[in-house]
Amino acid sequence: AQSVAQPEDQVNVAEGNPLTVKCTYSVSGNPYLFWYVQYPNRGLQFLLKYITGDNLVKGSYGFEAEFNKSQTSFHLKKPSALVSDSALYFCAVRDKKANDYKLSFGAGTTVTVRA
Amino acid sequence: DGGITQSPKYLFRKEGQNVTLSCEQNLNHDAMYWYRQDPGQGLRLIYYSQIVNDFQKGDIAEGYSVSREKKESFPLTVTSAQKNPTAFYLCASRRYLSGRTDTQYFGPGTRLTVL
Repeated sequence: AQSVAQPEDQVNVAEGNPLTVKCTYSVSGNPYLFWYVQYPNRGLQFLLKYITGDNLVKGSYGFEAEFNKSQTSFHLKKPSALVSDSALYFCAVRDKKANDYKLSFGAGTTVTVRA
Repeated sequence: DGGITQSPKYLFRKEGQNVTLSCEQNLNHDAMYWYRQDPGQGLRLIYYSQIVNDFQKGDIAEGYSVSREKKESFPLTVTSAQKNPTAFYLCASRRYLSGRTDTQYFGPGTRLTVL
């Protein structure tokens, strides 16, 4: 079985401050991990993914995420948040052992960046 | 969202009616997926298809049906058996490469409301 937890329903930060959105995962094998962003009434946009290799993954719009196997975490970070980063963020996981290629998504974290 | 279209954007259904949501992709992707999004619950998988003329149930398939007669099209029918169909429906597609995982890309979504 595979699952994802996003422990914070909401994250509020001031523009220019660092932004962190937390994600922990559970898989029986090794994970593939993804972050997506959703703006109101829109589909999900892909930000970045971890497949293998370097634990620090860089993605779109200045976002990055760090894979930590010992803590089973994949937190999303941005050094300096913008008001336009306000959106709903989803973490997703797939177990490398699974051959059905299904993703499991977290419940989402709403990010609000105030000017 | 580009490359994946969903129609209509908004759909209203009377109780007891079946409705069909359209999903088309021009990315030449092999695999296609349907998700349901409810507030605070993340995305839940309804059906998925990895090749033409084949599809599998996801986690919440009851009350839904799909077909995959063409590679580029994966329509979803919400039947009258679905007890609570009001939700935001998202279609996704993925290039299918054996032994690797590729990113799922999402359409813009259809918001279904039961009157």
